[in-house]
Amino acid sequence: QVQLVESGGGVVPPGESLRLSCETSGITFSFSGMHWVRQAPGKGLEWVAFIRHDGTTTFYADFVKGRFTISRDTSKKTLHLEMNSLSAEDTAVYYCVKDKGTTSFDYWGQGTLVTVSS
Amino acid sequence: EIVLTQSPATLSLSPGERVTLSCRASQIVTYLAWYQQKPGQAPRLLIYDGFNRATGIPARFSGSGSGTDFTLTISSLEPEDFAVYYCQQRTNWPPEFTFGQGTKVEI
Repeated sequence: QVQLVESGGGVVPPGESLRLSCETSGITFSFSGMHWVRQAPGKGLEWVAFIRHDGTTTFYADFVKGRFTISRDTSKKTLHLEMNSLSAEDTAVYYCVKDKGTTSFDYWGQGTLVTVSS
Repeated sequence: EIVLTQSPATLSLSPGERVTLSCRASQIVTYLAWYQQKPGQAPRLLIYDGFNRATGIPARFSGSGSGTDFTLTISSLEPEDFAVYYCQQRTNWPPEFTFGQGTKVEI
C-alpha cells in the first residue's frame, strides 16, 4: 500500500521560510522521481518542482525558481521542499506526488496546508 | 508556456448519462493526463499519455485526442463520479507541467 505523508505545514509570516517533508512507504523510493504540486484554497492545481529518482536533476516552476529547493533523502525515503521568501501567493495545500514516467503523477499524499500571513 | 483550457467549467448531469469533457492546448501537446478530485481529497490519476487508464480505474473512463484537442469520456455516470476533473500536460524540454483550470461535474 502506497503512502505519502506530508508534514511541516503551518502559518508563517511573509518573508519567512518553511521546510516541508514527505515520508514515503510502499514505493521503491530510490527508483521514483518525485514532485511537489500545490493548490491554493478554492483554486486549481499548480506544479511546483520535480526531482529525479537519483537526486541528480531538479526542475522548478518559474514562480518558485531561486526561492524553493526540492531535495530527497533516499536512506529515509523522504522528500523535502525548502521554501524561502514566502508570500501570500504561496498559501496553498502542498502535495507530495510520485512521478509516473515523467509525464504524469500517479500517487498523491493528502497534502499539508501552508498559510502565509502576518 | 502551454495553456490548457477546459470546457465547460461546470456540467450538471444525472447518473447514467454520458459525459464528454474537453481540454484544449495552446500548442501541440505530447503527453496529456486526466485527474479526478473530490472535495477534501487529493487528486487521483485517471488517464495518462492521452488514453491509458491508470491502475484500478474503471473502464467507463476513457481518454482520446491528440495535438491540441483532448477528451475525457465517462460512458455512464456513477454517483461517485461527481467531482472536479483536471487535464495536465508536460512540455518536452525543460520539463514543465501545467494543469487546466478544471471542469466540475455536478448533479
